[in-house]
Amino acid sequence: DAGVIQSPRHEVTEMGQEVTLRCKPISGHDYLFWYRQTMMRGLELLIYFNNNVPIDDSGMPEDRFSAKMPNASFSTLKIQPSEPRDSAVYFCASSDWTGGNEQYFGPGTRLTVT
Amino acid sequence: QKEVEQDPGPLSVPEGAIVSLNCTYSNSAFQYFMWYRQYSRKGPELLMYTYSSGNKEDGRFTAQVDKSSKYISLFIRDSQPSDSATYLCAMKFGKTGANNLFFGTGTRLTVIP
Repeated sequence: DAGVIQSPRHEVTEMGQEVTLRCKPISGHDYLFWYRQTMMRGLELLIYFNNNVPIDDSGMPEDRFSAKMPNASFSTLKIQPSEPRDSAVYFCASSDWTGGNEQYFGPGTRLTVT
Repeated sequence: QKEVEQDPGPLSVPEGAIVSLNCTYSNSAFQYFMWYRQYSRKGPELLMYTYSSGNKEDGRFTAQVDKSSKYISLFIRDSQPSDSATYLCAMKFGKTGANNLFFGTGTRLTVIP
């Protein structure tokens, strides 16, 4: 199993540009989670899906952030317009039907907004 | 105040030492307690989890939960250089459908050969 796949691994963009992060969860997993990690705030949950349906998006910082899961094998996190304070590592994770304690994380996308 | 507090360290110990990592939390509704390990430039991976209070041992690792004090610990015996990583505690509510994990900020550990 290839694990959770994220792309791109690194993204450098200018303030005001649109950024799209992509995630492919582990096949057969029902839950998909998007996190943001910074030194100051640690790992924060942004949104999670169950069977492609958004369940809790209370962690999405503001309207500039949106996430979609059009099918069981693909999800996107979009930031438009991007700002320097969005610079962070964004992780996607998936888990099985239990929604459980074990979440499998991807390698992350390191985003730098200049 | 964050729901989960963790000393960020860094913590540096000699090989073979016993390491103690700790987290405190404020919400008594947390029922599941986890430790994730994160190597540099990688995603976190689950190390251990426990349900409610008590101890759990897995090889050189022991997780302890004291719900009365809202305090959890991870002990690493005979620490190895390969244990050098950031350790994140995480917690989850017990109710059905509450799948959010609340993470501490992580403690960076270095084990010196």
